[in-house]
Amino acid sequence: KAGVTQTPRYLIKTRGQQVTLSCSPISGHRSVSWYQQTPGQGLQFLFEYFSETQRNKGNFPGRFSGRQFSNSRSEMNVSTLELGDSALYLCASSLADRVYGYTFGSGTRLTVV
Amino acid sequence: GQQVMQIPQYQHVQEGEDFTTYCNSSTTLSNIQWYKQRPGGHPVFLIQLVKSGEVKKQKRLTFQFGEAKKNSSLHITATQTTDVGTYFCWNRDDKIIFGKGTRLHILP
Repeated sequence: KAGVTQTPRYLIKTRGQQVTLSCSPISGHRSVSWYQQTPGQGLQFLFEYFSETQRNKGNFPGRFSGRQFSNSRSEMNVSTLELGDSALYLCASSLADRVYGYTFGSGTRLTVV
Repeated sequence: GQQVMQIPQYQHVQEGEDFTTYCNSSTTLSNIQWYKQRPGGHPVFLIQLVKSGEVKKQKRLTFQFGEAKKNSSLHITATQTTDVGTYFCWNRDDKIIFGKGTRLHILP
């Protein structure tokens, strides 16, 4: 069974640009969460979607947004990129909300220059 | 809101020695999940604990959930080089709080 797929794996963007990251969860998984990981801050929760509805949102500025489609695929968008947005962005999916463990994708490494 | 803190932040052990990491909460938790992230990799789900006093084992790994459901521990017996990585504890219901984990280094 295919795992959680995140695309692209690596991305280099310039300050001020915007970026869209994609996450395809495991088939049948309806819960998708996004995390930002940096060496200094560790793993920080961005948002969580369940059946196309945003269930929870972390403490990030409005430049960070996301959505989930009817097929459970999810995208996150960061507008007006800043140098501090450079990080590994991880997506995780679960069979059902608040019941099972999460399966993480390999992440998208975003570098803002 | 509740917060889960994990200690220690770093641990160096000689190969073959035991290792323990602890998660402590200011409030009662309904559950604890443990994850492992290898260097350069992504977090991998290890186990979930939900019952007071629960103990689960996976080969050399022993997971415990405290009687008061405010703390949890992961113990690795006779560490091996494959155990290198960061171990995270996470309260499933409160995704906003995700500890920085314990980074385990194994000295050959």
